[in-house]
Amino acid sequence: AQTVTQSQPEMSVQEAETVTLSCTYDTSESNYYLFWYKQPPSRQMILVIRQEAYKQQNATENRFSVNFQKAAKSFSLKISDSQLGDTAMYFCAFMKHANSGGSNYKLTFGKGTLLTVNP
Amino acid sequence: EPEVTQTPSHQVTQMGQEVILRCVPISNHLYFYWYRQILGQKVEFLVSFYNNEISEKSEIFDDQFSVERPDGSNFTLKIRSTKLEDSAMYFCASIVGQGIGNTIYFGEGSWLTVV
Repeated sequence: AQTVTQSQPEMSVQEAETVTLSCTYDTSESNYYLFWYKQPPSRQMILVIRQEAYKQQNATENRFSVNFQKAAKSFSLKISDSQLGDTAMYFCAFMKHANSGGSNYKLTFGKGTLLTVNP
Repeated sequence: EPEVTQTPSHQVTQMGQEVILRCVPISNHLYFYWYRQILGQKVEFLVSFYNNEISEKSEIFDDQFSVERPDGSNFTLKIRSTKLEDSAMYFCASIVGQGIGNTIYFGEGSWLTVV
């Protein structure tokens, strides 16, 4: 079974600064996906960024980028030029690749990191 | 952009009552899910549904829970006899399920309060 660990329950950052959220995971799979989801106060789950494990290049999406370290099983999220609208709970999630037996594309989530962006 | 829609957005029910939460997944998606998030806790997988049957379920998904896709578009979660601990946000999700670059899309959630 896969596990996802987010060791920072809460973080805060000043507007316009950069912040990094940590995530580690444990799996015996070699092929999988990793995700960061954002959950604002409205509680909707919004995909921030996705990384395929077979890709060595780190994913980027505008101000959001990841540092994917496959050997260390680490997947951190960097938010640059933080904005007030980035205030939310951030969840790291793992999904087995389709070619892995019994994938079902099920997501396993970490406990989340509450990020507050201060003006 | 296509989206997953859920109804109701919020429901309050008496303990012991039956509740049905409804979802309309994205039309060309093949896999459907229900996840649960108790307030302040992480999002937990309940059940996945593919080809008109349950493909996987968690320990949480006991005999009180059931899912069905009655008409080819709606995907429902039924809780037969609600308990206080069923109070949570319930998310429906769907995914195409083919090819690379798959993304799971979530609905906006149904907040269930059992009193």
